[in-house]
Amino acid sequence: QSALTQPASVSGSPGQSITISCTGTSSDVGGYNYVSWYQQHPGKAPKLMIYDVSNRPSGVSNRFSGSKSGNTASLTISGLQAEDEADYYCSSYTSSSTFEVFGGGTKLTVL
Amino acid sequence: EVQLVESGGGLVQPGGSLRLSCAASGFTFSSYWMSWVRQAPGKGLEWVANIKQDGSEKYYVDSVKGRFTISRDNAKNSLYLQMNSLRAEDTAVYYCARRRCSSTSCFYDYWGQGTLVTVSS
Repeated sequence: QSALTQPASVSGSPGQSITISCTGTSSDVGGYNYVSWYQQHPGKAPKLMIYDVSNRPSGVSNRFSGSKSGNTASLTISGLQAEDEADYYCSSYTSSSTFEVFGGGTKLTVL
Repeated sequence: EVQLVESGGGLVQPGGSLRLSCAASGFTFSSYWMSWVRQAPGKGLEWVANIKQDGSEKYYVDSVKGRFTISRDNAKNSLYLQMNSLRAEDTAVYYCARRRCSSTSCFYDYWGQGTLVTVSS
């Protein structure tokens, strides 16, 4: 069982917006601005999409945005495109012995 | 261009050992924390271990403590993961990742393509 809880799947139609949640505790997501998000296409390595809760690395589309409220972080993708179909993982530092944790992952389907 | 290339994966029997390597290029390797992250078949990502720039600090997920050792050779721009007493549950694709730290947090900004470790008799 992952330390961070994500929905197993979300879906949306091209052009729509979707939000993926990542719920933790005050020992991880809620206690630190240490949330990052990764996109992974099948058979490929993960790619950093968001860091420091809401910052985008150079080259990542501004259709991707991040936020946090309490113990829950969120990744929003606007103007959905077919190429956005992938698995998405959140990550956070944790003050438990594990040091860093990932969410269980969310499969995004573009209908 | 930042590149991370893993090697050393393969099939190993339970209780056996394997050493993974990650060759880094395109950046000043000695300036970054480095990490290993794994992904079991059909499963999610799991952080495995981190190592500080000079190797003075190392951190492990509980499930591998005492069995895995992360190390680095800054002269060779290389990261390693020595895996002993391997178990079936260690079967996964192992990714080498560069860990970059901002003023607020740390995150993995570059990943290798991964190397598959299969533990089976």
